[in-house]
Amino acid sequence: KAGVTQTPRYLIKTRGQQVTLSCSPISGHRSVSWYQQTPGQGLQFLFEYFSETQRNKGNFPGRFSGRQFSNSRSEMNVSTLELGDSALYLCASNLGTTLYNEQFFGPGTRLTVL
Amino acid sequence: ILNVEQSPQSLHVQEGDSTNFTCSFPSSNFYALHWYRWETAKSPEALFVMTLNGDEKKKGRISATLNTKEGYSYLYIKGSQPEDSATYLCALRMDSSYKLIFGSGTRLLVRP
Repeated sequence: KAGVTQTPRYLIKTRGQQVTLSCSPISGHRSVSWYQQTPGQGLQFLFEYFSETQRNKGNFPGRFSGRQFSNSRSEMNVSTLELGDSALYLCASNLGTTLYNEQFFGPGTRLTVL
Repeated sequence: ILNVEQSPQSLHVQEGDSTNFTCSFPSSNFYALHWYRWETAKSPEALFVMTLNGDEKKKGRISATLNTKEGYSYLYIKGSQPEDSATYLCALRMDSSYKLIFGSGTRLLVRP
């Protein structure tokens, strides 16, 4: 069974630009979550989608947005990029059937903002 | 804001040593506690999902316990091997969504 995949793996953008990151969950998984990892902050929750609905959102500005499609694939978008948005963005999926489902992480997209 | 704390921040041990690290939290008002292993340049790998029943989980040489009364979880590695070198993260699931609140991790280095 294929794992969680994320594209692209690396991205370089300049301040003010926008970026879209993509995540394909494990087949059959209905929940997709996004996390940001920076050296100083550790893994921070961005948002979670379940059956195309955003169920929870972390404490990030409105420049960060996401969506989930009917096939459970998800995208996140960051507009008006700032230097501080440079980070590893991780996507995670799970079945979404019980309280104790494991979350499976993708390899991440490394975003560098110049 | 719930603060999940992990200690120590980093740990160097010799191959064959047994070791353990701690994840502590101020409140037991959560659904589950997750342990992950994260090796450099790889995806975080799920180790255990601990429920509030407080049972011990075991996978090979690695085991975990959860004490909700005292507010901590321990991860034990018996007979550490160099391939155990990684950052070990714990995270709490607080509600019916799958939002996880992560600790900052314990970085383990096992010397051959």
